[in-house]
Amino acid sequence: DGGITQSPKYLFRKEGQNVTLSCEQNLNHDAMYWYRQDPGQGLRLIYYSQIVNDFQKGDIAEGYSVSREKKESFPLTVTSAQKNPTAFYLCASSTEFSSYNEQFFGPGTRLTVL
Amino acid sequence: QKEVEQNSGPLSVPEGAIASLNCTYSDRGSQSFFWYRQYSGKSPELIMFIYSNGDKEDGRFTAQLNKASQYVSLLIRDSQPSDSATYLCAADTGGFKTIFGAGTRLFVKA
Repeated sequence: DGGITQSPKYLFRKEGQNVTLSCEQNLNHDAMYWYRQDPGQGLRLIYYSQIVNDFQKGDIAEGYSVSREKKESFPLTVTSAQKNPTAFYLCASSTEFSSYNEQFFGPGTRLTVL
Repeated sequence: QKEVEQNSGPLSVPEGAIASLNCTYSDRGSQSFFWYRQYSGKSPELIMFIYSNGDKEDGRFTAQLNKASQYVSLLIRDSQPSDSATYLCAADTGGFKTIFGAGTRLFVKA
């Protein structure tokens, strides 16, 4: 059963802490993405990766870091430098074999800063 | 700044009616356009994509694209209460970058 998994579903962070959000896919997709969604706003791109060991900053990369050591995995770390991290975080993937770059999303992680 | 604009709604339609959702985009270089449905608290689900001018139909859904006017729409025929959700319009601007609109909330009244 192919798909994208994200964990945890809910995450609570104290100020000053770094936290890591997990994203795994078994769709054999090359490209993976991290988005942030705030209430009433569209998805904003944080980072994306087209291939293993390579990734690029999106529009709001400050305070975040990623790694892409395996094709299946693209974890996101929210660092203490991110001043307002409370949001819904969505991981997505897409295949290079489509001309249209349609993206498929995981179930999301809701991060709350206490 | 590349943008995708949508009316936030809410758009309210009676059950069985046609719901019409619209969006405009700023980047004339955009080639592919997507409609995602997002239920409250859930992740977006791809329901349609379109890349050629004109209409594309899939069941009760019809996507329409007019590149000259930079306009994309989604029609939902025979709307059902289960269609109540936020609909996100998105444009692929190339280079693995997709720009999302803020979404239109749709309510289908039984």
